Amino acid sequence: SQQGEEDPQALSIQEGENATMNCSYKTSINNLQWYRQNSGRGLVHLILIRSNEREKHSGRLRVTLDTSKKSSSLLITASRAADTASYFCATDSPFRNQAGTALIFGKGTTLSVSS
Amino acid sequence: EAQVTQNPRYLITVTGKKLTVTCSQNMNHEYMSWYRQDPGLGLRQIYYSMNVEVTDKGDVPEGYKVSRKEKRNFPLILESPSPNQTSLYFCASQIAGGPYEQYFGPGTRLTVT
Repeated sequence: SQQGEEDPQALSIQEGENATMNCSYKTSINNLQWYRQNSGRGLVHLILIRSNEREKHSGRLRVTLDTSKKSSSLLITASRAADTASYFCATDSPFRNQAGTALIFGKGTTLSVSS
Repeated sequence: EAQVTQNPRYLITVTGKKLTVTCSQNMNHEYMSWYRQDPGLGLRQIYYSMNVEVTDKGDVPEGYKVSRKEKRNFPLILESPSPNQTSLYFCASQIAGGPYEQYFGPGTRLTVT
């Protein structure tokens, strides 16, 4: 049951440029999270934004949420080669009986930053 | 150090040979979950556990079993593995309730021939 869909599927940029990834989802949510995955490794949490928030920052990361459009974006500013990874959005599932813990992941955006 | 560990990290096995992938977390989290990751399909939840002795099916539970006898451990059991279970498996844990971040293990790459 896919909820979030990231766009684009793949993104290639040069070091120093900004990278923007988008996530669209289908049903209403309570919160949305972004995770990073380095090749073949476990996912690492980046940022969580609640449905009543519109924007959130963490270091070089900026996340926006537009609940009217059912979409979120992740902006990485001044990208570095170390930012090369796959990025996933994950939404909670209010329809699952998991007391707010269930996450549904999108298929991810693969970001490649070249030096 | 707060972490989720999985063993083994890599496993090649044959069809029908029972196997167990272990998962352990040291953060006293109530919630634990297993995912499989396949190209083009993203992460899909296999099973989850809200606490000791409480487990339930996720999106793709067929062919898998789990148990939660201790809070820190959540093993994934494949009673009779088949080639379509070749995948990258992740265990994750989280404080119950939400919303909170999930902590992921390093992954187990399983190949069933």
